[in-house]
Amino acid sequence: GIQVEQSPPDLILQEGANSTLRCNFSDSVNNLQWFHQNPWGQLINLFYIPSGTKQNGRLSATTVATERYSLLYISSSQTTDSGVYFCAVGRDYKLSFGAGTTVTVRA
Amino acid sequence: EPEVTQTPSHQVTQMGQEVILRCVPISNHLYFYWYRQILGQKVEFLVSFYNNEISEKSEIFDDQFSVERPDGSNFTLKIRSTKLEDSAMYFCASVAILEQFFGPGTRLTVL
Repeated sequence: GIQVEQSPPDLILQEGANSTLRCNFSDSVNNLQWFHQNPWGQLINLFYIPSGTKQNGRLSATTVATERYSLLYISSSQTTDSGVYFCAVGRDYKLSFGAGTTVTVRA
Repeated sequence: EPEVTQTPSHQVTQMGQEVILRCVPISNHLYFYWYRQILGQKVEFLVSFYNNEISEKSEIFDDQFSVERPDGSNFTLKIRSTKLEDSAMYFCASVAILEQFFGPGTRLTVL
């Protein structure tokens, strides 16, 4: 199956700081999604981004499919941004998840 | 905005008991999935379902698991005889084209 590596595994930020999370994958894909897992365990869909760049408020994401990586940017972080961020990729529907980046934003 | 719903949100059961986890996918979606996440680990694919049959399943999805679409709206995952290691968060997802929409999950605790 497709291997997905996320870095860094853990990230501690001061409120207001910016950060970049990375997702590398081992094969060509036609689906890439970023999720935020909240403290209740729910997976919140952030971006569907198999290629290109998207922005949603303080979050943005870029996927360079030819180089097999995606980046998630968090700007002006807030304590509510804390949680685990997962990258998931797929080819022909089934998603393979990375191990996640645990983000802790301190007030 | 349409969303995937799952019930129950939390299920506690005794080892050896049967459990049924329920999902209502987004209407008009054609592909349905179950994933699971053991506490502290990554989310893992279990099974995909299309046109009223399993299209792909993982090694985890053994004979103890089954899926069904009993009517036009519900999609269920049954575990026949639960084991301690089945304790996990179970997510249902549905797809229209490629983007997968996930439900809020059912937390299964096997005692």
